[in-house]
Amino acid sequence: KQEVTQIPAALSVPEGENLVLNCSFTDSAIYNLQWFRQDPGKGLTSLLLIQSSQREQTSGRLNASLDKSSGRSTLYIAASQPGDSATYLCAVSLLGTGGFKTIFGAGTRLFVKA
Amino acid sequence: DTGVSQDPRHKITKRGQNVTFRCDPISEHNRLYWYRQTLGQGPEFLTYFQNEAQLEKSRLLSDRFSAERPKGSFSTLEIQRTEQGDSAMYLCASSPTIGPVLSYEQYFGPGTRLTVT
Repeated sequence: KQEVTQIPAALSVPEGENLVLNCSFTDSAIYNLQWFRQDPGKGLTSLLLIQSSQREQTSGRLNASLDKSSGRSTLYIAASQPGDSATYLCAVSLLGTGGFKTIFGAGTRLFVKA
Repeated sequence: DTGVSQDPRHKITKRGQNVTFRCDPISEHNRLYWYRQTLGQGPEFLTYFQNEAQLEKSRLLSDRFSAERPKGSFSTLEIQRTEQGDSAMYLCASSPTIGPVLSYEQYFGPGTRLTVT
């Protein structure tokens, strides 16, 4: 059974700091991995999608890496800003004989202090 | 393209009542997903559709829950005889399957927050 764990559960950093959020998954047979941002009481905003054949994706100040063999992904945020404060969710999607499903971690709550 | 929309955004109902939520996916997105999210947790997969066909249902989707996508466009999620444990955010997402790469990247709507009193 695929399980997704995100560490840390919460993080508070001063503005301008570079930071890394971690995501681990138990079954390496994933189809893709997606990082999302969620603001309180809102839906999810897609940040980066990494296909199983890829090692990393970059968008602006964000960089996500994927190591399937070790079951790990990291989201690197450069030069953090107060507007980055949100919950960051990692999700892995599986596609196989069991069908298609997406499994989320519980998220990392990030607070960037001005 | 206005993104995925969901209606209503908030619903308060009494235990035992039936509720129905609607999701309008991004135009031309063939796949549509439903999730449930409780406070402090990540979304939990409920079901998904490829066009009008419901291809997978989670065991979380009890007999009181039913989802439809009759014309392959919008979808509805109905909960019958609601219970307090049904209180959650219900999220809908869609993804395209037409194109050179089947990325299955999911785009989420704003969610419907259900409170059962």
